[in-house]
Amino acid sequence: AQTVTQSQPEMSVQEAETVTLSCTYDTSESDYYLFWYKQPPSRQMILVIRQEAYKQQNATENRFSVNFQKAAKSFSLKISDSQLGDAAMYFCAYRSALGGAGSYQLTFGKGTKLSVIP
Amino acid sequence: ETGVTQSPTHLIKTRGQQVTLRCSSQSGHNTVSWYQQALGQGPQFIFQYYREEENGRGNFPPRFSGLQFPNYSSELNVNALELDDSALYLCASSRTSGSMHEQFFGPGTRLTVL
Repeated sequence: AQTVTQSQPEMSVQEAETVTLSCTYDTSESDYYLFWYKQPPSRQMILVIRQEAYKQQNATENRFSVNFQKAAKSFSLKISDSQLGDAAMYFCAYRSALGGAGSYQLTFGKGTKLSVIP
Repeated sequence: ETGVTQSPTHLIKTRGQQVTLRCSSQSGHNTVSWYQQALGQGPQFIFQYYREEENGRGNFPPRFSGLQFPNYSSELNVNALELDDSALYLCASSRTSGSMHEQFFGPGTRLTVL
């Protein structure tokens, strides 16, 4: 079974600064997807960024980028120019690329609470 | 494009009761997954429905059951409620076409069991 570990329960960052959230995972599969989701106090889980394991190039979405290290099974999220609206719980998630039953199942880490200081 | 909706927003039940939670998928999505998120934890996969049949299940007992309807909306039923069932229940929809099969989440139903 796959596991996802987020070792930082809480992080804080000054507005306009950069912060990196860590995530490691364990899997025996070679093809999979990794995601970062944001969950603000409104509770709705919002996809921030995604990475396909077969792609060596790190994904980037505006101020959000990842550092994907497949051999180390590491998938960190970098938020640049942090804004007050970035304050939320951030969850790292894994999904197998194999088809079959439950193939869309996401395995989540426990999350990192990010605070943005004005 | 209408997003994923869930009802009710909040629900309070007592131990031993039964509860039904509802989810309307995003337009064009044919797969629904349900997750349980205990306080301070990440979501845990309950099960997934595709073409009105359960298509994968996490480590949850049989008293957690579901339905998917022809319009792809879904229900999560929990029988014999226990105190530990208190959690946020999230529904996520996706479509089988295209890559990544990105899941779109609803706002969740907060269930409290007393």
